Amino acid sequence: GENVEQHPSTLSVQEGDSAVIKCTYSDSASNYFPWYKQELGKRPQLIIDIRSNVGEKKDQRIAVTLNKTAKHFSLHITETQPEDSAVYFCAAYSGGSNYKLTFGKGTLLTVNP
Amino acid sequence: NAGVTQTPKFQVLKTGQSMTLQCAQDMNHEYMSWYRQDPGMGLRLIHYSVGAGITDQGEVPNGYNVSRSTTEDFPLRLLSAAPSQTSVYFCASSYRDTNTEAFFGQGTRLTVV
Repeated sequence: GENVEQHPSTLSVQEGDSAVIKCTYSDSASNYFPWYKQELGKRPQLIIDIRSNVGEKKDQRIAVTLNKTAKHFSLHITETQPEDSAVYFCAAYSGGSNYKLTFGKGTLLTVNP
Repeated sequence: NAGVTQTPKFQVLKTGQSMTLQCAQDMNHEYMSWYRQDPGMGLRLIHYSVGAGITDQGEVPNGYNVSRSTTEDFPLRLLSAAPSQTSVYFCASSYRDTNTEAFFGQGTRLTVV
C-alpha cells in the first residue's frame, strides 16, 4: 500500500518568514495530493491540493509543488502569520477503484510573533 | 447543510465495554471513512466504504466493525474496548470521483479506562 513520509515533524518560524514542509510517497499510481490544516481541537480542513498532471499550484500565500519522478511534494507558506500556527498533514490518494487517502504523520508549525 | 456530523464528541468507556460511534453526512457522498488520530501518528485509516453495502479494511481495522446500510450513515463499532483504543476518531466523506476533497466530522475523543 501507499506510504507517505512527512518532514519535519515540528517547525518554528518567525512571523513573516517562509515555511516549507516536505512529503514523499511510495505508490507511483498516486494521482492526488491534498494538504490539510488542523488547528488545536478542530477537524482537519483542506487548504490546497494538487493533481498529478500539474507541477505547481498557488493560492495566495500558499503553494504546493509536485515532482512525480522523485515522488515528492511540498507545501510552501510565505509571509507566515500567527494564525498559520497549526498541524499540517500531507496526503496521497492511492488510486484505483477503491478510495484510500493515506496521510503523513503531520508537521506542527509554530509562527512566533 | 450540516456536512459530516459525528456523535458523541466525548466518551469514556471501561475496558471490555462496547459502543458505536455515529457518523452521518448530508452531501450525498459515496465514500466514507473512519480514521483514528494519535499523537505523532497522523491520521490512520480504520475502515472505509465506497458505497452503501460495501466496506473494506484500512490500515488499523482490528477491534472495530463497520456497516453501511445507507449512503448517509457509517457507524463505527468498538466490540470490546481496550485502553489502546483511546484516541480521537474522525469520520470523513467525499464524492466517488477521485481527486476530490474529503470533509471531516468534528471528531470523537474516546478514553478507555
